[in-house]
Amino acid sequence: EAGVAQSPRYKIIEKRQSVAFWCNPISGHATLYWYQQILGQGPKLLIQFQNNGVVDDSQLPKDRFSAERLKGVDSTLKIQPAKLEDSAVYLCASSLLGGGQPYEQYFGPGTRLTVT
Amino acid sequence: AQRVTQPEKLLSVFKGAPVELKCNYSYSGSPELFWYVQYSRQRLQLLLRHISRESIKGFTADLNKGETSFHLKKPFAQEEDSAMYYCALSGSSGGYNKLIFGAGTRLAVHP
Repeated sequence: EAGVAQSPRYKIIEKRQSVAFWCNPISGHATLYWYQQILGQGPKLLIQFQNNGVVDDSQLPKDRFSAERLKGVDSTLKIQPAKLEDSAVYLCASSLLGGGQPYEQYFGPGTRLTVT
Repeated sequence: AQRVTQPEKLLSVFKGAPVELKCNYSYSGSPELFWYVQYSRQRLQLLLRHISRESIKGFTADLNKGETSFHLKKPFAQEEDSAMYYCALSGSSGGYNKLIFGAGTRLAVHP
């Protein structure tokens, strides 16, 4: 089966600019996750979707970050305006189901964002 | 608070030596623990989960609730084991499980 797809793979922007990342999960996976991984740290969950509804966005900086998952398939994550501390790898992952079960998460290749 | 601690940023061993990557967690409840691995230029992927009690690529991990640890072990390291290893805890949030990752340990196996 095809894996989780993400684009772009790399992005360089100046601070205060906006940027958007795209994710296409594995077909049939109901749950989609966006993680932020800052250099030297483990991935940190930003937002979790179950189908097209948000189930956890407690660590999403909502003043500048937004995400949507239209039709319960693809998802976009946007940052506006970007700050230097947003430089990180943004990982998308999907799993078959979420709910109360810790199903295996499948990760995409990530988008490396550099804010200058 | 739910937290995962991996005390070593880098573990360097020679081929054939035993390996133990340490992981300690903080969780008020019954935890689900995982090890994820990222090989060079590859995606983050699941290595093993404690509930399955499997040995994957010669690696095992035992959940020790008394010591709140989930150390990853392999008796004889191979060069192809060189990678970044992340311990993760599945914690409940509003009825939905989310993964909390440690900072990771880089394993370098030298010939």
